[in-house]
Amino acid sequence: AQKVTQAQTEISVVEKEDVTLDCVYETRDTTYYLFWYKQPPSGELVFLIRRNSFDEQNEISGRYSWNFQKSTSSFNFTITASQVVDSAVYFCALISGPTGGGADGLTFGKGTHLIIQP
Amino acid sequence: EAQVTQNPRYLITVTGKKLTVTCSQNMNHEYMSWYRQDPGLGLRQIYYSMNVEVTDKGDVPEGYKVSRKEKRNFPLILESPSPNQTSLYFCASRSSSGRYNEQFFGPGTRLTVL
Repeated sequence: AQKVTQAQTEISVVEKEDVTLDCVYETRDTTYYLFWYKQPPSGELVFLIRRNSFDEQNEISGRYSWNFQKSTSSFNFTITASQVVDSAVYFCALISGPTGGGADGLTFGKGTHLIIQP
Repeated sequence: EAQVTQNPRYLITVTGKKLTVTCSQNMNHEYMSWYRQDPGLGLRQIYYSMNVEVTDKGDVPEGYKVSRKEKRNFPLILESPSPNQTSLYFCASRSSSGRYNEQFFGPGTRLTVL
């Protein structure tokens, strides 16, 4: 069984503050991938990043960065110098199991609603 | 443009009136899937399809049907909708050659069942 926990239901910060969204996952498999999706107020799901279980390098993309730590089963997402346009619901998701084919869908966390106040 | 489309985007209906939400992708993806999103629950998979004529249940299949007669289309059917099926529905697709590949999501269909 696999599980994703996003303990922060809602976070509110003032623009330009840094903010970290937590994601803790559970899986028995050694091969797995983690994802982050953004859902802005318009409702669509926007893919942000994918990370595999064998690559623990942190990733930075502009103001976004991701910290993957297998020791704590966490894949946290940090927004630096937040902006109002970052306001959205952010989902962490997991898929695990053998490579090639496979039918399981993504297991999503419940999401963190991020509010950036001007 | 590579995309997943869903129709309708918004639907209000009444209990028991059969409805279909269409999903179409233009990326020649084998794998397609339906999720529902509910407040405080995140997204949960309803049904998925590995290819034409191959479908299977996800985590919350009760009250739903699907069909996959063509590779590009994967409609979601509610034979007798009930208020607890009021939700935001997403269709997704990915290439089955890479189980860990990014899933492409449609824009969502907001369904209200009165």
